[in-house]
Amino acid sequence: DIQMTQSPSFLSASVGDRVTINCKASQNINKYLNWYQQKLGEAPKLLIYNTNNLQTGIPSRFSGSGSGTDYTLTISSLQPEDVATYFCLQHSSRPLTFGSGTKLEIK
Amino acid sequence: EVKLLESGGGLVQPGGSMRLSCAASGFTFTDFYMYWIRQPAGKAPEWLGFIRNKANGYTTEYNPSVKGRFTISRDNTQNMLYLQMNTLRAEDTATYYCATKLTYWGQGVMVTVSS
Repeated sequence: DIQMTQSPSFLSASVGDRVTINCKASQNINKYLNWYQQKLGEAPKLLIYNTNNLQTGIPSRFSGSGSGTDYTLTISSLQPEDVATYFCLQHSSRPLTFGSGTKLEIK
Repeated sequence: EVKLLESGGGLVQPGGSMRLSCAASGFTFTDFYMYWIRQPAGKAPEWLGFIRNKANGYTTEYNPSVKGRFTISRDNTQNMLYLQMNTLRAEDTATYYCATKLTYWGQGVMVTVSS
C-alpha cells in the first residue's frame, strides 16, 4: 500500500497569509493526487485533482503542485471561510489512500 | 446537478449485517465508476472499494481491509449503488459515503457497530 504522510497536522494562520500543506507518498504516484476540503459536519469537497487542476467553482487562491512523491496544496491568501480540515488522496494505485489530514484554523 | 443520497445506516450489533444504499441522479449513472468511502469520527477517510462503469463491465475492486466482508453492487435500472456489509466489527463504526469520479460525494450515513 502507498502511505501518504501529510503535514502539518494542525495549522494556525492569519487572514491573508499564504498557507501550504504537504503530502509525501511512500512511492511515486505520478501526479495522481487530489486535495479535499472538509468543513465540520460536511462531506469532503474536491479542491484540486491530479496535482494541479482546480475543480470547477473553487476559488483561484487554491492551487496545487508537485511530482513524484511530494505534493503541496497552497492557499495564496487565507480567508475565514477556509477554516476546515484538508486531506490528500492518492489514486495512482489500489488501495487508494488518504493523508491523515491538516486542521486549519484562523489565528 | 449531481446528487448522491445515502441511506440504510444505523445501529447494528457486532457480527451483524447491514446494507447501505446510494441513490444517484444528475448524471449518466452507467458511465461512471462508483465508490464507497468511510470516515471514522475525527479520522481520515478510508477508501473501501469501487464498482466500474458499463464500459469496464461493472467489475469491482476492494480495499484488502474489507475484502471478503463487504460487497459493492449497483442497479443500473434504478441508478442505485449498494454496499453490503457482513460480519461487522466495532472498528467498522464510521460515516459511510458514496462518491463518483472521486469528485462528488453524498452527505454520508452513520453506521454504529455496538452491542
